Amino acid sequence: NAGVTQTPKFQVLKTGQSMTLQCAQDMNHEYMSWYRQDPGMGLRLIHYSVGAGITDQGEVPNGYNVSRSTTEDFPLRLLSAAPSQTSVYFCASSYTMEGGTQYFGPGTRLTVL
Amino acid sequence: QQQVKQSPQSLIVQKGGIPIINCAYENTAFDYFPWYQQFPGKGPALLIAIRPDVSEKKEGRFTISFNKSAKQFSLHIMDSQPGDSATYFCAASSNTGNQFYFGTGTSLTVIP
Repeated sequence: NAGVTQTPKFQVLKTGQSMTLQCAQDMNHEYMSWYRQDPGMGLRLIHYSVGAGITDQGEVPNGYNVSRSTTEDFPLRLLSAAPSQTSVYFCASSYTMEGGTQYFGPGTRLTVL
Repeated sequence: QQQVKQSPQSLIVQKGGIPIINCAYENTAFDYFPWYQQFPGKGPALLIAIRPDVSEKKEGRFTISFNKSAKQFSLHIMDSQPGDSATYFCAASSNTGNQFYFGTGTSLTVIP
């Protein structure tokens, strides 16, 4: 199993550009989520999904969109990048939310100029 | 508002010492408390987790102590090693919600 994979590893954007961060898992997990990690802020939930076709907002959803058309994939879209979105982004998955182990991807380091 | 408060922000111990990282929460609906370990450039990985029906859980050199009445839990690392140098996050979730809430992290350095 590859586990949770994320692409790209690094990305530099200019303000106003859009892009999609890719996340895929091969463990047949129902629950997937996106976090951003900023110094001194810990991990903050952006969006999550409890299954294909079902998504919901986390703590910091503004400026981001998600969709879940398959169990395996959960892309995160930045609609119009802003410098405040400079961060490290992690995708995670688990069988369920109820006490399930979350498996994290390796992260995407995004810089918005 | 931080749902899970973690301290200290950073910690330096000598090899063999016992670093202790503390977390506190307010939401009494939380019923699952995992700790994650993160090495530089990597994603967090589950280290150990506890539910509130027990006061302590050990896995190897890692121990979680849980105080339900005080709404606090802590991670102890016995006989710490330089390889334990990493950032540690506590977290909490409830079976009635759909989110994990993470603490702000503790950067641990174990000096040889």
